[in-house]
Amino acid sequence: EAGVAQSPRYKIIEKRQSVAFWCNPISGHATLYWYQQILGQGPKLLIQFQNNGVVDDSQLPKDRFSAERLKGVDSTLKIQPAKLEDSAVYLCASSLVREQYFGPGTRLTVT
Amino acid sequence: AQSVTQLGSHVSVSEGALVLLRCNYSSSVPPYLFWYVQYPNQGLQLLLKYTSAATLVKGINGFEAEFKKSETSFHLTKPSAHMSDAAEYFCAVSDDYGGSQGNLIFGKGTKLSVKP
Repeated sequence: EAGVAQSPRYKIIEKRQSVAFWCNPISGHATLYWYQQILGQGPKLLIQFQNNGVVDDSQLPKDRFSAERLKGVDSTLKIQPAKLEDSAVYLCASSLVREQYFGPGTRLTVT
Repeated sequence: AQSVTQLGSHVSVSEGALVLLRCNYSSSVPPYLFWYVQYPNQGLQLLLKYTSAATLVKGINGFEAEFKKSETSFHLTKPSAHMSDAAEYFCAVSDDYGGSQGNLIFGKGTKLSVKP
């Protein structure tokens, strides 16, 4: 069974630029999550999708972050414009009913 | 609100020694508890989970954890450390079985180093 795929794996941008991350969940997994993991901290949930609907986006900074999950499969997380404090690893996870399975993450560096 | 506290951001043990990583939780409802491991430049992998079926939970790679309600703890142990155990370990709590109904709240993580 293929795992959760994410791309790119690494991205370096300057502040005020925009960036997008892509996630392909495990086939058949209805629930998809985006987490932000700042260096030295545990992952923090940004947004949760159930199929293509948003379940929880209470911790998503909506003035600069946006996410979508078209057709209930792949998802894209966008930051526009980026700030220095957005430097982090962005993890995507998916679940069918129980455990969450995580992708390898995208490491974003904002300079 | 739920929270997790991991005592010790860095733990170092010798190969073959006991591994003990501490986790205390706060939850107003019966919690579901998880331990994840993260190797460098990789995502998180589930080690084990507590879902109220048994207080002593066995996971992969020889790890186990014991749920102690009176101490609000869920410490992770392994009798004998191996070099391949060097990684970062995260404790997490959920008010649901980590599925679509609940979110995971993670601790800050404990980096385990294993000395030869």
